[in-house]
Amino acid sequence: SAVISQKPSRDICQRGTSLTIQCQVDSQVTMMFWYRQQPGQSLTLIATANQGSEATYESGFVIDKFPISRPNLTFSTLTVSNMSPEDSSIYLCSVMTDYYGYTFGSGTRLTVV
Amino acid sequence: QQQVKQSPQSLIVQKGGISIINCAYENTAFDYFPWYQQFPGKGPALLIAIRPDVSEKKEGRFTISFNKSAKQFSLHIMDSQPGDSATYFCAAQETSGSRLTFGEGTQLTVNP
Repeated sequence: SAVISQKPSRDICQRGTSLTIQCQVDSQVTMMFWYRQQPGQSLTLIATANQGSEATYESGFVIDKFPISRPNLTFSTLTVSNMSPEDSSIYLCSVMTDYYGYTFGSGTRLTVV
Repeated sequence: QQQVKQSPQSLIVQKGGISIINCAYENTAFDYFPWYQQFPGKGPALLIAIRPDVSEKKEGRFTISFNKSAKQFSLHIMDSQPGDSATYFCAAQETSGSRLTFGEGTQLTVNP
């Protein structure tokens, strides 16, 4: 299965600033996914990022708040913009590795103060 | 709208005991049901999965039981060990490449 490197692993940010999270995969993948996991909660899909096309956002998530880049088949970034304490969460990158399987990165633990 | 409901929210089991986590779904288009295991500070990792054409799948100490008519499936962990202490998520997927729908998660603690 694919190996995902996600950076940074954690960060503490001031409200009103932005943070860009990087996701690097060791193999080429068509579909990459970004999830949010709030403390003690389940995973919520933010958006799906396909190379060469605009990301598709889930209900409740907008491009202005969570812009995504997908410049090639092994890399993607998620930016959390104009952060507030409510954005404090774990952000996870995921890729589809076979017919049904998904692999997740270790996540970025974001705290907004 | 939560399409996959998971219970219990937390579970404490003694070493050597059986851990049972249950999930129920509503969408009959789901045709793949994975379980993920997540340790603190890590992303979820696929543990075991089942398709609806079988009623049970076993891999080592982990077994999925699937009841298509009741739209329920469960994870059984036999001979539970302290190293099994983690959060477990059931999930469901409609077709290859489609999104995963996760349950709420179960925090399992196995006491030594």
